Amino acid sequence: KNQVEQSPQSLIILEGKNCTLQCNYTVSPFSNLRWYKQDTGRGPVSLTIMTFSENTKSNGRYTATLDADTKQSSLHITASQLSDSASYICVVSAGTSGTYKYIFGTGTRLKVLA
Amino acid sequence: DSGVTQTPKHLITATGQRVTLRCSPRSGDLSVYWYQQSLDQGLQFLIQYYNGEERAKGNILERFSAQQFPDLHSELNLSSLELGDSALYFCASSVWWGGTPSDTQYFGPGTRLTVL
Repeated sequence: KNQVEQSPQSLIILEGKNCTLQCNYTVSPFSNLRWYKQDTGRGPVSLTIMTFSENTKSNGRYTATLDADTKQSSLHITASQLSDSASYICVVSAGTSGTYKYIFGTGTRLKVLA
Repeated sequence: DSGVTQTPKHLITATGQRVTLRCSPRSGDLSVYWYQQSLDQGLQFLIQYYNGEERAKGNILERFSAQQFPDLHSELNLSSLELGDSALYFCASSVWWGGTPSDTQYFGPGTRLTVL
């Protein structure tokens, strides 16, 4: 069964600190892995997209890593800001030949405190 | 602002009714995706259309249907509504069919459906 699990469920950190969010998946056939940021009540915003052959991808203070062997990904946030408070969702695409399904993790809710 | 528009923003209706949600993709995007986000289930992929044709199907119920029109806007039809259908419904669009790594999906603001 295709599954995406994220940890922790929630996280509270102080402004300026770093944090790392985890995503483990059992999805086949794997196509790509995406990280999204979702503010409460708003649509998700894409942070990174990684294929099987990519180990790391950065977008400003966000750096995602992918280990296709262990089927794990992480999202590292550097020097957190109050605006980073949001849910972070890991999504794995499964499929081939241009026909894909998207399996979502339940997200990590991050709260950054001043 | 992602450039994806969804109407209406809010919708309140009764069980057993039928509603239509509308989505206009970003200019130039050929793919439209529909997602459902409920409190207990998180985000779920429903269906994708590419240039007017169904491209991929997720956990879409038989009571739900969608289509993409020649002008590329899309509609999601929900019928025989149940209390459990109350959720945020998001539409996203992308340039291509989602098969390329750089095919970013841009999400709209969502339609909040409440079934009473």
